[in-house]
Amino acid sequence: DSGVTQTPKHLITATGQRVTLRCSPRSGDLSVYWYQQSLDQGLQFLIQYYNGEERAKGNILERFSAQQFPDLHSELNLSSLELGDSALYFCASSPRRTVGFSDTQYFGPGTRLTVL
Amino acid sequence: DQQVKQNSPSLSVQEGRISILNCDYTNSMFDYFLWYKKYPAEGPTFLISISSIKDKNEDGRFTVFLNKSAKHLSLHIVPSQPGDSAVYFCAASADGRKLIWGLGTSLAVNP
Repeated sequence: DSGVTQTPKHLITATGQRVTLRCSPRSGDLSVYWYQQSLDQGLQFLIQYYNGEERAKGNILERFSAQQFPDLHSELNLSSLELGDSALYFCASSPRRTVGFSDTQYFGPGTRLTVL
Repeated sequence: DQQVKQNSPSLSVQEGRISILNCDYTNSMFDYFLWYKKYPAEGPTFLISISSIKDKNEDGRFTVFLNKSAKHLSLHIVPSQPGDSAVYFCAASADGRKLIWGLGTSLAVNP
C-alpha cells in the first residue's frame, strides 16, 4: 500500500459527459501528479501540483483540468468526454517540488475510466 | 516523439537466471533515470534510480547500468524470481522537471 488513495476505482460514463477523479496523497506529501495510461501506451504525464499551485504541465487536454485543495487532496476534472479518453488515470504523490534523486513518486491504484 | 524507448514489449526468463531490461533515450538533457515495476490492478512502484553522474547503481538483486554515450540504460535482475513477473517502466527527467516514461516491458519469470 503506497498510502495514496484514488476514488473511484472504476467509472463508466457516456461521451459528452463530465467526471471528477479524486486523489488523496500520502500524509505529508506536497506534490501531486496526474498520469494517463491508455491501452498500449506508457504513462503520459498530465499535470503536477505542489502545495496548491500548478507546478508543471504535460500533455493535458484543454477539456481536462485539475486542482489541489488546501488539505492537499487533488481532483482531476475531465469534460466533454470522448471514447479516446478511456484509460487508467493514476495519481502519484511525493514530498518535494522537483523530481530528484531522492524524491520518489508514490502511485495510487488508479481509476479506470470507460467512456461508452 | 518517444523520448524514452523500451523496444522489447515482453521478455520471458527462467527462474534463477538473469533478466535484462533495456531502455534507450534521445534527450541528452536527461539527468535522472528511474525504473518502476507495475503489477496488474496496482499503480507503479519505484524500484531503483540512477543519476547521470553515475554509471551503475545496485540495490540487492537489482542493478541499473547507464551508458550515457549510447543513451542507454539497462536493469539487471539477478537471480530472477517468479514474483518479479510484472511490467517494468523506464522513466527519465531533466533538471527536476516532469518524468518521461517508456511504454514498459512485460517480464515473465517462469518457475
